[in-house]
Order: sequence, then structure tokens, then C-alpha cells
Amino acid sequence: SYELTQPPSVFVSPGQTATITCSGDNLGEKYASWYQQKPGQSPILVIYQDDRRPSGIPERFSGSNSGNTATLTISGTQAVDEADYYCQAWDINTYVFGRGTKVTVL
Amino acid sequence: EVQLKESGGGLVQPGGSLRLSCAASGFTFSNSWMSWVRQAPGKGLEWVANMKQDGRDKNYVDSVKGRFTISRDNARNSLYLQMDSLRVEDTAVYYCAKQQCGGDCDFDSWGQGTLVTVSS
Repeated sequence: SYELTQPPSVFVSPGQTATITCSGDNLGEKYASWYQQKPGQSPILVIYQDDRRPSGIPERFSGSNSGNTATLTISGTQAVDEADYYCQAWDINTYVFGRGTKVTVL
Repeated sequence: EVQLKESGGGLVQPGGSLRLSCAASGFTFSNSWMSWVRQAPGKGLEWVANMKQDGRDKNYVDSVKGRFTISRDNARNSLYLQMDSLRVEDTAVYYCAKQQCGGDCDFDSWGQGTLVTVSS
């Protein structure tokens, strides 16, 4: 079965750039999406189709996808961005999520 | 504004059944693929099942095939998940999610979730 691998945690200082990776076989040939989930809340879509941002999502969130790795970048990270982030892709009628990356702003 | 509201969760013994419901509003329900996604306590997200707009195409994760059945009623703007032969490992918050599809599908709106606990 298809798997997506994310680092368990990323630490970033306020105002700096947070980079979260998601790796999978030939992931660049699929579309990658990213979701933000804060404690006790439902997930929110922050990036879809590799690099598209839904309305209402701040411009500091951006995405890319090439080769075997998709990347979510948070530029000028703010305290409110502290959350779990999950990547997701589709493979043969199955939607696969990565295990999530906890972003800590300190 | 898109709203998705799940109901029907609760405590059930292993081998038992539950039926989850999701009431949708704020968008044209009959035009959207819909999914159920679950999250075990302290764990990540796991897609469970989805259904096409007209109900003719359904897909399931392998671990629930033959036990769970997804359905929808477009006249009532509602999505359902019938869960039979429940196992301890099915314990999770179950989210109803709207899908947007353009070359691929993602989950662009989520409900607040309903907790299913399978325990003796």
C-alpha cells in the first residue's frame, strides 16, 4: 500500500520559515494536499493540488511537489500556526494521509 | 457557509453496530463527492470511505470492507455510515468531509466529528 512519510516534529522561531516535508514513491506525479489541525479542532485544508491555497488561507502558506517529495512552507511563522500538519495524496481509489508533523513555534 | 454536522456516535461493544449521520448545508450536496475520515485517539487521520454524487460509486479502506457501508440521501442532504461488526480498533472520532475534485480530490470542508468508542 502507498505510504507518505512526514517528520514527527518541526520547531521554528516566530517570524522564521517552517518547512514540512512529505515523501512518497513518485509523489510528484500525484497531487498533494495539506491540512492543519489544532488541538480539539477539525482539520482545515491549507494547500490543495500541490500549491493552490483555498480562500481565507494566509499567503504565508505555500506548497510544492516534485520527485518524491511534497513540501509545505510557512513563511513568517506566527504563534497561531502551531498545529499538526498532515499531507495527503490519492492512490488507486484510496486516500492516503501522512502521520502528521507537529509544528512548534518557540 | 458550508456546514457539516455529524451525529450517532457513542459507546458500543465489540461486534456491535452503529449508524453515523452527517447533515450538510451551505452547498449543493448532490454535486459533491462525500467522505468519512476517522482519527483514533492521539493518532493521525485515516480515510474510511467515500461516495460519488449519484451514489453509484463507493470506495472503502481495506480495513472496513465488508463491515461498513456508506450511503447518502441527496433529498435530505445527508450522508451516512453504517458500521457493523465493530472492533476495538475502530474507536475514533469520525469526520464527515466534503470533497472537491479537479484532476484529483481533496477534503475542503470538515464537520466537527462524532466519537465512536468500541469497548466491552
